[in-house]
Amino acid sequence: DAGVIQSPRHEVTEMGQEVTLRCKPISGHNSLFWYRQTMMRGLELLIYFNNNVPIDDSGMPEDRFSAKMPNASFSTLKIQPSEPRDSAVYFCASSLGEGSPLHFGNGTRLTVT
Amino acid sequence: SQQGEEDPQALSIQEGENATMNCSYKTSINNLQWYRQNSGRGLVHLILIRSNEREKHSGRLRVTLDTSKKSSSLLITASRAADTASYFCAAIYNQGGKLIFGQGTELSVKP
Repeated sequence: DAGVIQSPRHEVTEMGQEVTLRCKPISGHNSLFWYRQTMMRGLELLIYFNNNVPIDDSGMPEDRFSAKMPNASFSTLKIQPSEPRDSAVYFCASSLGEGSPLHFGNGTRLTVT
Repeated sequence: SQQGEEDPQALSIQEGENATMNCSYKTSINNLQWYRQNSGRGLVHLILIRSNEREKHSGRLRVTLDTSKKSSSLLITASRAADTASYFCAAIYNQGGKLIFGQGTELSVKP
């Protein structure tokens, strides 16, 4: 099993540009989570999906952030326009269902200058 | 915020010693999980304890849960330099299915 795959591993962009982060969950997992990690705020849950349907997006900081899961094997997190304060490590995780342990990808380190 | 708290924030010990990390949470939980994160990597699940369990073991790991005090602890026995990492507790609250993480404990095990 390849685990959760995220791309890119690193992204450096200028303020105002659109950023798209990608995630391929583990095959057979029904739940997918997007987290953001910073030194100041720790790990914050942005949004999670069950069976490709967004269940809770209360952690999405602003309308500039959007997430989609068009099918069971792919999800995107988009920031448009990006701002320096969006700089963080973004993690995608998947699980067999609510309450089950999460399997994390290695994250995307985003730097917005 | 439902985010729990962990203490200590940082812990430095010698190889062979035991390491204990504590986690407190705020409302009723469905289960509580512990994760480990090595620098630059994603989190790795270590152990899950359900709200009706009091203690659980996995190798050198021992987790306890006290629902009356809304707290949990992770004990790593006979620590090794390779145990150096950040450790996080995370709770599934009864009100929903999302996993909320604490701020983590940074463990350093010196050889």
